[in-house]
Amino acid sequence: DTAVSQTPKYLVTQMGNDKSIKCEQNLGHDTMYWYKQDSKKFLKIMFSYNNKELIINETVPNRFSPKSPDKAHLNLHINSLELGDSAVYFCASSPGSWGGELFFGEGSRLTVL
Amino acid sequence: GENVEQHPSTLSVQEGDSAVIKCTYSDSASNYFPWYKQELGKGPQLIIDIRSNVGEKKDQRIAVTLNKTAKHFSLHITETQPEDSAVYFCAASGTNDYKLSFGAGTTVTVRA
Repeated sequence: DTAVSQTPKYLVTQMGNDKSIKCEQNLGHDTMYWYKQDSKKFLKIMFSYNNKELIINETVPNRFSPKSPDKAHLNLHINSLELGDSAVYFCASSPGSWGGELFFGEGSRLTVL
Repeated sequence: GENVEQHPSTLSVQEGDSAVIKCTYSDSASNYFPWYKQELGKGPQLIIDIRSNVGEKKDQRIAVTLNKTAKHFSLHITETQPEDSAVYFCAASGTNDYKLSFGAGTTVTVRA
């Protein structure tokens, strides 16, 4: 009955590898997001989709590619992982046609060695 | 874009005392100001929010105040308890803005 669920919760990988993080929400929300939280706890938006349409694409390297197969899912694929990609990645969703309250998942901690 | 500054970065209070966290924002068009609480190993969770047509809002031990002229807003926690220990984030966005800009966070520790 988890509202926003992401998998995996932990991910340890080598530099240069490609990895994906999956996110699903069962709240019926129209908008989904990916946020990155660095080691200093700073939360920065990466992408947002509204009804499968990309509406926010911050200055993120092309190695990061979001995919939204339907409005309940937003996955994040990362190519050629670098040390600086190590962070906690949060998926979130919101109900409205604009921001409003965000419902966050529990995060996926990515460690690049 | 919107720039939100948050102070202090860490705050230690005795149980039962009050805690105050302050934020300033740069974009005068912003009109939605939420506060999120993040417990260890969890995602942030909304605890209270305020919109620009309101100056103050209270929910039990938590209150938020907004000064649009000065472009700052504050979170007040009264009668702090150990379970209030967490990282608190302020944020700001506009009415038709999907993007919520977060402050850098305040780590609050409530000493028993």
